[in-house]
Amino acid sequence: EPEVTQTPSHQVTQMGQEVILRCVPISNHLYFYWYRQILGQKVEFLVSFYNNEISEKSEIFDDQFSVERPDGSNFTLKIRSTKLEDSAMYFCASRQDGTPYEQYFGPGTRLTVT
Amino acid sequence: SQQGEEDPQALSIQEGENATMNCSYKTSINNLQWYRQNSGRGLVHLILIRSNEREKHSGRLRVTLDTSKKSSSLLITASRAADTASYFCATGLIQGAQKLVFGQGTRLTINP
Repeated sequence: EPEVTQTPSHQVTQMGQEVILRCVPISNHLYFYWYRQILGQKVEFLVSFYNNEISEKSEIFDDQFSVERPDGSNFTLKIRSTKLEDSAMYFCASRQDGTPYEQYFGPGTRLTVT
Repeated sequence: SQQGEEDPQALSIQEGENATMNCSYKTSINNLQWYRQNSGRGLVHLILIRSNEREKHSGRLRVTLDTSKKSSSLLITASRAADTASYFCATGLIQGAQKLVFGQGTRLTINP
């Protein structure tokens, strides 16, 4: 069964460093998403991406964040200058165009900023 | 704001019993989805119910949706120890990219 994959599973970085989180969505999906979950809190939407552009973003997704689909399979989230409060689990998700609207999530990348 | 809120926050039952979790939200939705998350792991999609549906079944799962009350429930029948996890409802908007808005989740513990 096809699944969303994410790398790395765990990333430790120092404050101020740039990180790139990678995702490979399910191959025939056209909508891509990033969410994050701070430890003990709810899952929060960051950004959605469709047709090679951002379709929606949250207030969390400020100028420090960017997304890219560099080729036909990868979908990346870049944080330019990490802060302590960026420490969280980051989930990538994808879905088909149209119905059904199920979003399928990857296993997540745990980002720890020290 | 559109928001899914689960109730109860934590539920502990004996294996074999049924578990019911509730979710409430605030605005009009296109669909409502339930996810399971094992401790520290990814989100597993369980079931989606559309706004024009009232009930849906999948194996031991039964989901109901009451759009007039803006609420949904997830019933897990004949619970197993492996069902121990956090369960989240997530609402999908009518328009736009269908971002999901998650609730705080219900922590379900099945005691053997």
